[in-house]
Amino acid sequence: DIQMTQSPSSLSASVGDRVTITCRANQGIREDLSWYQQKPGKAPKRLIYAASSLQSGVPSRFSGSGSGTRFTLTISSLQPEDFATYYCLQHNSYLWTFGPGTKVEIK
Amino acid sequence: QITLKESGPTLVKPTQTLTLTCNFSGFSLSTSGVGVGWIRQPPGKALEWLALIYWDDDKRYSPSLKSRLTITKDASKNQVVLTVTDMDPVDTGTYYCAHVEMATVWSFDIWGQGTMVTVSS
Repeated sequence: DIQMTQSPSSLSASVGDRVTITCRANQGIREDLSWYQQKPGKAPKRLIYAASSLQSGVPSRFSGSGSGTRFTLTISSLQPEDFATYYCLQHNSYLWTFGPGTKVEIK
Repeated sequence: QITLKESGPTLVKPTQTLTLTCNFSGFSLSTSGVGVGWIRQPPGKALEWLALIYWDDDKRYSPSLKSRLTITKDASKNQVVLTVTDMDPVDTGTYYCAHVEMATVWSFDIWGQGTMVTVSS
């Protein structure tokens, strides 16, 4: 089975900061990776798919990169509405696995 | 516009079978290249993928839960049903259904609002 890890598990940042979250797979998944943002009590919202494709309507301060086993989500300038939990999702080989999540909190 | 909505019991007893329905609109599960999946989330914990059904009735299950899950579709009713047998308190959480399509490499793009299920005697 493909396992996903995320780092850090949580972080504190200020508005305007550049934030990077890393997701790793225990085997190669090409670019079959998506990123989601989830706020308390809400369904996840897709930000990035195919590792680096920006979901329509998502601000351009969000970007994704990577392939194989290492992926990153970058928020170029953190905004107040970006404080949330972020999950990666691998969807390779007709099975899906979420990462454990990264909580982004206000410093 | 694609929308999905989950429905089912809010409380089930241990050992009972849970049946959840996903009603959707804005797409057809008869159309090539689409699917519907189920994901759950225990309170305060991470998301967990459960199952997915494709337009051609191919089905995929989480290896860790495969023996307890069944996913079916009724394309004429725009419904997908998930059953989970032998429910346990650790199965308590919010259950989501979500749309996938080949065009975006089978990742979940549109989600339902979720339905909370509590397992307790």
